Amino acid sequence: EAQVTQNPRYLITVTGKKLTVTCSQNMNHEYMSWYRQDPGLGLRQIYYSMNVEVTDKGDVPEGYKVSRKEKRNFPLILESPSPNQTSLYFCASTLNGQAGSRSEQFFGPGTRLTVL
Amino acid sequence: AQKITQTQPGMFVQEKEAVTLDCTYDTSDPSYGLFWYKQPSSGEMIFLIYQGSYDQQNATEGRYSLNFQKARKSANLVISASQLGDSAMYFCAMREAGSGNTGKLIFGQGTTLQVKP
Repeated sequence: EAQVTQNPRYLITVTGKKLTVTCSQNMNHEYMSWYRQDPGLGLRQIYYSMNVEVTDKGDVPEGYKVSRKEKRNFPLILESPSPNQTSLYFCASTLNGQAGSRSEQFFGPGTRLTVL
Repeated sequence: AQKITQTQPGMFVQEKEAVTLDCTYDTSDPSYGLFWYKQPSSGEMIFLIYQGSYDQQNATEGRYSLNFQKARKSANLVISASQLGDSAMYFCAMREAGSGNTGKLIFGQGTTLQVKP
């Protein structure tokens, strides 16, 4: 089954304790992204990757890191989480990231993070 | 300025009736795509329908159709014969060339739809 998986699904942590949210896709997609969802703001892109070892900042990258060592995996790292990073996080992948492409973005199930 | 605007934070519809969820967008790129996603209370994002800027006809997928008015920059989602399972949040999103062909989707704020029995 084609899918994007994320772990953990729920996480409660404390300020400053480093954490990693894993993301994996089995569709051989080149494009992967991380989004955060906050009430009234929709989803906003944190980081994206266009291929292995190619990553760049999205709209809200502060406080986050990513890596893309393998095509299927795109972990999100919070080196020193703060309460304003409490949010619902989605990993997503797509086959073709060009503007006119019909390729839909496949989303993982989401990770609900609470930073105390 | 907001790239994607959904002006209806919440809506109600009677079961079996049709409902229109509004979406307006702002882009100067000639090539772009518009997507609608459904997010039920369980949280996952479900792709519903796509409309390309060069598509001549409005997109349809089962009970979902898109009322695409390019000159007005609107891409409203129409759900026909609403079902209780349609109760969810709905997001309109755009992929535009100005995002550098990165796969990025720009999302609206979402509309919460509740279907009444």
